[in-house]
Amino acid sequence: DAGVIQSPRHEVTEMGQEVTLRCKPISGHDYLFWYRQTMMRGLELLIYFNNNVPIDDSGMPEDRFSAKMPNASFSTLKIQPSEPRDSAVYFCASSFLGAAEAFFGQGTRLTVV
Amino acid sequence: SQQGEEDPQALSIQEGENATMNCSYKTSINNLQWYRQNSGRGLVHLILIRSNEREKHSGRLRVTLDTSKKSSSLLITASRAADTASYFCAHRDNFNKFYFGSGTKLNVKP
Repeated sequence: DAGVIQSPRHEVTEMGQEVTLRCKPISGHDYLFWYRQTMMRGLELLIYFNNNVPIDDSGMPEDRFSAKMPNASFSTLKIQPSEPRDSAVYFCASSFLGAAEAFFGQGTRLTVV
Repeated sequence: SQQGEEDPQALSIQEGENATMNCSYKTSINNLQWYRQNSGRGLVHLILIRSNEREKHSGRLRVTLDTSKKSSSLLITASRAADTASYFCAHRDNFNKFYFGSGTKLNVKP
């Protein structure tokens, strides 16, 4: 397996634009997590899914953020409209029940100017 | 917050020296994990220690766990320049959420 795949790796966008980040989890994993990493806040859990169903979105900072998982092999995190303070590295990770560890993608570095 | 705290925040050592990083957490755990993050990359799982274990070794890594103090340490022996990275402790709660510490940034100078 190629691991967790995220796209794009880098995204630069203007304030007010819509941004969509994509994630393909490892095949067979039934948990998917979206994290945001910044120097100030470290690694924050935004939302996670189990069997494509959102379980906990309490970490989503504002209504501008939304996430979907239409099937077991794809998830999106959308920011609309984007703001400069959304600039961060966004990670997707997957795991499965009974596994102790999480498997991370390479991240998407988002810059909102 | 269930996130852990790590210290030091940053550590700079010479190649060949040992590096020790500490982690404190707030809740009961089933196991504790350590991850490594190279600059610009995702986190990679290094080692796991279960709550009924006190010490575990993997190559040059040694992890200890003290559940009474809710703390863990990661020791990297005979460090190499390639060990330069950030190191995070983490645990998975009963709801299957992963919580990560604040991380220690290790710089190993050649």
